[in-house]
Amino acid sequence: DVKVTQSSRYLVKRTGEKVFLECVQDMDHENMFWYRQDPGLGLRLIYFSYDVKMKEKGDIPEGYSVSREKKERFSLILESASTNQTSMYLCATSAWGQGVSYEQYFGPGTRLTVT
Amino acid sequence: AQSVTQLGSHVSVSEGALVLLRCNYSSSVPPYLFWYVQYPNQGLQLLLKYTSAATLVKGINGFEAEFKKSETSFHLTKPSAHMSDAAEYFCAVSGGTGANSKLTFGKGITLSVRP
Repeated sequence: DVKVTQSSRYLVKRTGEKVFLECVQDMDHENMFWYRQDPGLGLRLIYFSYDVKMKEKGDIPEGYSVSREKKERFSLILESASTNQTSMYLCATSAWGQGVSYEQYFGPGTRLTVT
Repeated sequence: AQSVTQLGSHVSVSEGALVLLRCNYSSSVPPYLFWYVQYPNQGLQLLLKYTSAATLVKGINGFEAEFKKSETSFHLTKPSAHMSDAAEYFCAVSGGTGANSKLTFGKGITLSVRP
């Protein structure tokens, strides 16, 4: 089974702090994704990465950055946390190649509160 | 471009009743389609997927979905609801091509099950 882990389940940070959310997967998947989930808005893609050191902006990248130095690890960085970044953050991975259907496997989520 | 429409945000059924959650999609290429379930404070779990094989797809926990190209639909059903089915359900579509294939998610539907 694919295992996707996230560094924290719950996190409370202060406005202006730099926040790191980390995601680790053990299935050698090429693609990794960061979403935020808010009531009534569904999942919104922040950034994704299809290879080490490669990244592409998703739908809402403002205020966020990412880092992928190793294939199994994908970090989301909030450079200066703001209260409107209070949300549930979900990491996901998917394989790439012939015959795959690109389903994504999700971590348990990190519920971030910025006060 | 791809999109997913899940009409309504909340469905309530009695235990033992039929569950029907609707999903309509738009895709410029033959799609891959997915249903995910999310229990409170957890990540998303894959329920089932359509990848251009059989149009009726069976998933976990007794759920199934039928791909209807003429209606651009992929509705999720379960003949008899159980209390443990109460969760949020997301439909997603992938273009299924390219190394960077992403999923586009609907806004989700919350399913409540009444005793």
